[in-house]
Amino acid sequence: QKEVEQNSGPLSVPEGAIASLNCTYSDRGSQSFFWYRQYSGKSPELIMFIYSNGDKEDGRFTAQLNKASQYVSLLIRDSQPSDSATYLCAVNSGGSNYKLTFGKGTLLTVNP
Amino acid sequence: NAGVTQTPKFQVLKTGQSMTLQCAQDMNHNSMYWYRQDPGMGLRLIYYSASEGTTDKGEVPNGYNVSRLNKREFSLRLESAAPSQTSVYFCASSVTSGGARDTQYFGPGTRLTVL
Repeated sequence: QKEVEQNSGPLSVPEGAIASLNCTYSDRGSQSFFWYRQYSGKSPELIMFIYSNGDKEDGRFTAQLNKASQYVSLLIRDSQPSDSATYLCAVNSGGSNYKLTFGKGTLLTVNP
Repeated sequence: NAGVTQTPKFQVLKTGQSMTLQCAQDMNHNSMYWYRQDPGMGLRLIYYSASEGTTDKGEVPNGYNVSRLNKREFSLRLESAAPSQTSVYFCASSVTSGGARDTQYFGPGTRLTVL
């Protein structure tokens, strides 16, 4: 059973701070990793994806991947109240199995 | 460009009733997926369709059937609804199948309550 684990939170940070969201996965063969944001009552929307070890930056968001340690993280710099949402980590193991396995999500609250 | 659309947005059923959830995408994607999302359980894959004419079971297929009507449309049917099927259902699509880098795009969801 492939598993993706996230701290359910809530993670509370003040406005302007850096929010750090973490995700671990069990399948060593996993190839691609996605972060989705889901506002309450809405559908998941893609923030970014990462395939290679290291950091990938997109605006205020940075994804970090460490395949040896089997973890992926998302950093949100200069957090805004509008960033308050649940963040879902998803993993694709590639090969003939292209399905995504989702973590249960971390609830982030950014306080003004 | 509407992306992924789902109907209905809300539905209340009685135990034993049947219904079909509709999903359509206008992005010319090959693959489509049905998920359910329950509090504390995350998103779980019910069925998926790698390409037109094919469907496969996901993690939680019991009690559901699907039809890939054409490349655009993928429907989910509950033949005899049970309270355990109360959930939010999301349809998603991605460009190709077999691609580890495929990004899935989600529809707005259907909120289903079974009494």
